[in-house]
Amino acid sequence: AQSVTQPDIHITVSEGASLELRCNYSYGATPYLFWYVQSPGQGLQLLLKYFSGDTLVQGIKGFEAEFKRSQSSFNLRKPSVHWSDAAEYFCAVGDYYGQNFVFGPGTRLSVLP
Amino acid sequence: DSGVTQTPKHLITATGQRVTLRCSPRSGDLSVYWYQQSLDQGLQFLIHYYNGEERAKGNILERFSAQQFPDLHSELNLSSLELGDSALYFCASSVGPGQDPFEAFFGQGTRLTVV
Repeated sequence: AQSVTQPDIHITVSEGASLELRCNYSYGATPYLFWYVQSPGQGLQLLLKYFSGDTLVQGIKGFEAEFKRSQSSFNLRKPSVHWSDAAEYFCAVGDYYGQNFVFGPGTRLSVLP
Repeated sequence: DSGVTQTPKHLITATGQRVTLRCSPRSGDLSVYWYQQSLDQGLQFLIHYYNGEERAKGNILERFSAQQFPDLHSELNLSSLELGDSALYFCASSVGPGQDPFEAFFGQGTRLTVV
């Protein structure tokens, strides 16, 4: 069965520091991978997605993610975190047809001034 | 604004009652997904509809049901409500299979509080 793990429940970084949020997946077919962000009391906003091609994908708000098939990982990165990036981040996996769209448990990001 | 509309935004009801949550997908989207988000369970997939037909079921209780209407809006019905059903319920929509690579757009959610 497909699954997504995000090993870090909560991460705290200082503003201006770099960030990496980890995501590992288990999926039987070709995975379509996503990162979503959820601000308090808000819905989920898509940050970026990977379908095929270049394994380094760029997203909104200065985020990027790298797909590594050999490690079944899709880690999210940002070179310099802003206070407004404090939120919950979800990694998700699905297929081309939108079946079996599964979310990880989320990583809560706190940003210190 | 994702283009997905959920109503109501907040709902407070008593145990044992029944409620209906409504979702209007983005214009042109044929697929609708429902998710439940609670503190202890995270984001749980409930059910997926495509063009009026049920496509996949996740961790949806028998007390819960959903449908997608000809105009593509969807309703999630929750009955015999229990305290543990208190959660944020999200709807997401996408264009549907075979048309474009899948991408889900989420509504703002309905916060259900059962007292």
